[in-house]
Formats: sequence, structure tokens, C-alpha cells
Amino acid sequence: DIQMTQSPSSLSASVGDRVTITCRASQDIHNYLVWIQQKPGQAPKSLIFAASSLQSGVPSKFSGSGYGTDFTLTISNLQPEDFATYYCHQYKSLPLTFGGGSKVEIK
Amino acid sequence: QVQLVESGGGVVQPGGSLRLSCAASGFTFSSYGMHWVRQAPGKGLEWVTFVRYDGSNDYYADSVKGRFTISRDNSKNTLYLQMNSLRVEDTGVYYCAKNGRSAWGPIDHWGQGTLVTVSS
Repeated sequence: DIQMTQSPSSLSASVGDRVTITCRASQDIHNYLVWIQQKPGQAPKSLIFAASSLQSGVPSKFSGSGYGTDFTLTISNLQPEDFATYYCHQYKSLPLTFGGGSKVEIK
Repeated sequence: QVQLVESGGGVVQPGGSLRLSCAASGFTFSSYGMHWVRQAPGKGLEWVTFVRYDGSNDYYADSVKGRFTISRDNSKNTLYLQMNSLRVEDTGVYYCAKNGRSAWGPIDHWGQGTLVTVSS
């Protein structure tokens, strides 16, 4: 199975900040990576697929990059509605695997 | 817009069975693969199972293999998960999730989830 490791597991940031979350795969997954946002008590929402392509309706403040084993999610101009837990998942092969999550909290 | 509505969750004793359903709308259900993903209380996301667009192939996490069965009825736009021999560690919210293509691939939409509690 492909292991996905996210860092940091949590971070504190202020409104207006820019934050970066990383996801590392245990083997080459090309660009077969999705970034997911989950707010407390809510269902997950897919933000980015193919490592850098925005899902329809997702604001451009979210951006993704990376290829192979190392990937990043950047959120610009952090707003109150962006405070959530973010996950990555690979779809290079089954079983699909997820990172452990990165919780973005208000400083 | 894509809508996925799960139902069938509840409280069941260890060793019991439960059948989850997911009603899909807003897209051509028969053209896309579908997943079930679960989340234990306070924990992260765990992939459970996937079925191809036409139901011809299905795949399972080792933790549920032989106990869970995924199926679909494309005439009813509905996805199912039959869960047998349930264990305490199967407790969690179960999400129906749409695949971005016919074979396995990126998850692009999620349902609201249904809670399964396995407890004596």
C-alpha cells in the first residue's frame, strides 16, 4: 500500500495569512493526488485533483503543486471559513490511501 | 448539481449486519465508479471499497474483505454497502463518494455520511 504522510498535523494561523501543507507519498504517484477540506461536523469536500487542478467552484485562493512523491497545498489570504482539517489522498493505485490530516486553527 | 444521500446507518451489536444505501442524483450515475469511505470518531479518513461504473469489478480494504459487499443498481441510481459480521472497530461515519471517472480515480464529490455504531 502507498503511505501518505502529511505535515504539519496542526498549525495555528491568523486571518489573512498564507499557509502551506505538505503531503509525501511513500512511492511515486505521478500527479494522482487530491486535496480535501473537512470542516467540523461536515462532510469532506474535494478541492484539488491531479495535484494542481481546482475542482469546479473552488476559489483560486487554494492552489496545489508537486509531482512524484512531494506535494503542497497553499491557502492564500486565510479567512474564517478556511479553518478546517485538510487531507490528501492518492489514487495511483488501490487501496486509495489518505494522509493523516492537517488541522488549520485560528491563532 | 451532484447529490449523494446516504441512509441505513444505526446501532448494531457486534456480529450483526447492516445495509447502507446511497441515492445519487445530478450526474449520470451509470458512467462513474463509486466508493465508500469511513471515518472513525475523531479519526481520519479510511477507504473501504470501490465498484466500477458497471458493477463488473469491486475492490476492498483488507480490514473489510470477506465481510462487506459493495453493489449498485444503475436503474435506481443507488449504491449499496452490505456489512456483515460487524466489529466494534467498524464504528464511524460512512461516506458515499463519487469517483471522477469510470475506473478508480480521484474522489470528486462526497455525501453527508451516515453513522454506524457497533456496540453491545
